[in-house]
Amino acid sequence: GAGVSQSPSNKVTEKGKDVELRCDPISGHTALYWYRQRLGQGLEFLIYFQGNSAPDKSGLPSDRFSAERTGESVSTLTIQRTQQEDSAVYLCASSLGKGAPYNEQFFGPGTRLTVL
Amino acid sequence: DQQVKQNSPSLSVQEGRISILNCDYTNSMFDYFLWYKKYPAEGPTFLISISSIKDKNEDGRFTVFLNKSAKHLSLHIVPSQPGDSAVYFCAAMYTGANSKLTFGKGITLSVRP
Repeated sequence: GAGVSQSPSNKVTEKGKDVELRCDPISGHTALYWYRQRLGQGLEFLIYFQGNSAPDKSGLPSDRFSAERTGESVSTLTIQRTQQEDSAVYLCASSLGKGAPYNEQFFGPGTRLTVL
Repeated sequence: DQQVKQNSPSLSVQEGRISILNCDYTNSMFDYFLWYKKYPAEGPTFLISISSIKDKNEDGRFTVFLNKSAKHLSLHIVPSQPGDSAVYFCAAMYTGANSKLTFGKGITLSVRP
């Protein structure tokens, strides 16, 4: 089956504009994660969705960042009033979710966001 | 504060030799450790993992060693192949929480033919 897909693959925007990034997880995966990787840094956790539970938003860097997930399918990450420091690769991952000590997270190719 | 540290940004080895990638962590709550491999323009892919109840896990050419007392783990690749050239991320998690991964900055491995 298809892996995790993300769109767009690249996004260039002007400072102050809003952007929306999309993630399509692997079918049947109940858990979905958003990470970002800024230049020269490791991946930073942003937000986690698991089934119908309340999302873990502990990694969101500011209130300009928000994310939604429709059931156990598509997720969108929205960044309002973008700043240059938001420039990064935004990665989405999905996994089977709970029921094991660890379920492998499968990553999408990422969206490279550049804020001018 | 970085909870997972990969202090060497790059490593270059000759094809056929051993590659040793190191990783240190500070959070004693972490109980599961993973290595991911990443090629340019692709997402990271899972390589190998180890639970904190073990000190070694082997999968083909890849072996991960865990030293809990030193809060240190390492990935050994032997023999190294040119196709192993990629960025390798060390990651850790606490399985009692929501499985979110804490990543190191990554190390770029170059295997010379």
